[in-house]
Amino acid sequence: DVKVTQSSRYLVKRTGEKVFLECVQDMDHENMFWYRQDPGLGLRLIYFSYDVKMKEKGDIPEGYSVSREKKERFSLILESASTNQTSMYLCASDRDRSSYEQYFGPGTRLTVT
Amino acid sequence: TQLLEQSPQFLSIQEGENLTVYCNSSSVFSSLQWYRQEPGEGPVLLVTVVTGGEVKKLKRLTFQFGDARKDSSLHITAAQPGDTGLYLCAGGPARQLTFGSGTQLTVLP
Repeated sequence: DVKVTQSSRYLVKRTGEKVFLECVQDMDHENMFWYRQDPGLGLRLIYFSYDVKMKEKGDIPEGYSVSREKKERFSLILESASTNQTSMYLCASDRDRSSYEQYFGPGTRLTVT
Repeated sequence: TQLLEQSPQFLSIQEGENLTVYCNSSSVFSSLQWYRQEPGEGPVLLVTVVTGGEVKKLKRLTFQFGDARKDSSLHITAAQPGDTGLYLCAGGPARQLTFGSGTQLTVLP
């Protein structure tokens, strides 16, 4: 079974702090994704990566950056957290460029106060 | 931008009832996935459909992809409390799925 793990289930940070969310997958998947999920808005893609050191902007990249130094690990960085970044953050991976199926981690519930 | 609309947004039924939820778009999708998400957890993939008209069954769940590949439905027979969750459809080319906003299903014992 594919396993995607996220570093924290719950985080509380203060406005202006730098926040790191980490994601690790154990199935040698090429593609990795970061989404945020908000009530009524569904899942929105922040960034994705299809290879080590490669990244592409999703629909809502503003205020976020990412890092992929190793194939199995994809980090989401909030340079200066703001209250409107309070959300559920979901990491996902899929096998390769032909794959349709994404596998999700358990999510990180981030609260910025 | 491709959009997926799911209906109903909320559904509350009694154990043993049947139900159908829908996922519709004006765009053609190369594939469509259904996920179930429980509170505080990430979505879990249930099924992928890729061929227009395709029907897949997973125990009491039946998934259908529309002939024109613009819509899909999920039918649950004899719903159980364990079916409670947020059902999400997602479609599109590989690498960049579009997600619907989901149907929140509650099955009451």
